[in-house]
Amino acid sequence: QKEVEQDPGPLSVPEGAIVSLNCTYSNSAFQYFMWYRQYSRKGPELLMYTYSSGNKEDGRFTAQVDKSSKYISLFIRDSQPSDSATYLCAMGAYTGNQFYFGTGTSLTVIP
Amino acid sequence: GAVVSQHPSWVICKSGTSVKIECRSLDFQATTMFWYRQFPKQSLMLMATSNEGSKATYEQGVEKDKFLINHASLTLSTLTVTSAHPEDSSFYICSAIGLADSYEQYFGPGTRLTVT
Repeated sequence: QKEVEQDPGPLSVPEGAIVSLNCTYSNSAFQYFMWYRQYSRKGPELLMYTYSSGNKEDGRFTAQVDKSSKYISLFIRDSQPSDSATYLCAMGAYTGNQFYFGTGTSLTVIP
Repeated sequence: GAVVSQHPSWVICKSGTSVKIECRSLDFQATTMFWYRQFPKQSLMLMATSNEGSKATYEQGVEKDKFLINHASLTLSTLTVTSAHPEDSSFYICSAIGLADSYEQYFGPGTRLTVT
């Protein structure tokens, strides 16, 4: 079983839709969680990070962590064509420097 | 803040030559840097972790003599692909952690290597 599971998509939504991106994980030691956005042929860009369960909001983006279910989500409200990219979840434990990435979900927002 | 740069952004080299890629943290000191490789439409594959002043830790299956990593200072790490072959063609991305009590990893823009 992979440490982190993420549906690769592709996901295609109309402009203005609410997008939900999800990852599940198996290691209960994971304490910090991040979401990255990666445009084609570019390095990943850190969007959100959180160290606790619950919701964290930043503009149109909301990161949600449910440690009891080992499930994290990224919600994008009022999606825009510029949101079209691959979204990667990442997580790790406080001990050691090992990060675990999801495979990424490809999102296309159609104008 | 937390900007990571890479140079070059794109390089083409002939088979058998060596290529050096630089990764710099521009506005913070990076205690740890990571090197990844990414094939088209695939996720990041961690190659090695480097800490300033010490030898890099390579992931299983990554040849340390093929991919030489040097983390000479708190703001610079280099990856040298030695005796490059066409199968080494890929997108190489570095990332860095450095901010105190922080676990966020900041990525460089990547380097596209094409070996002919």
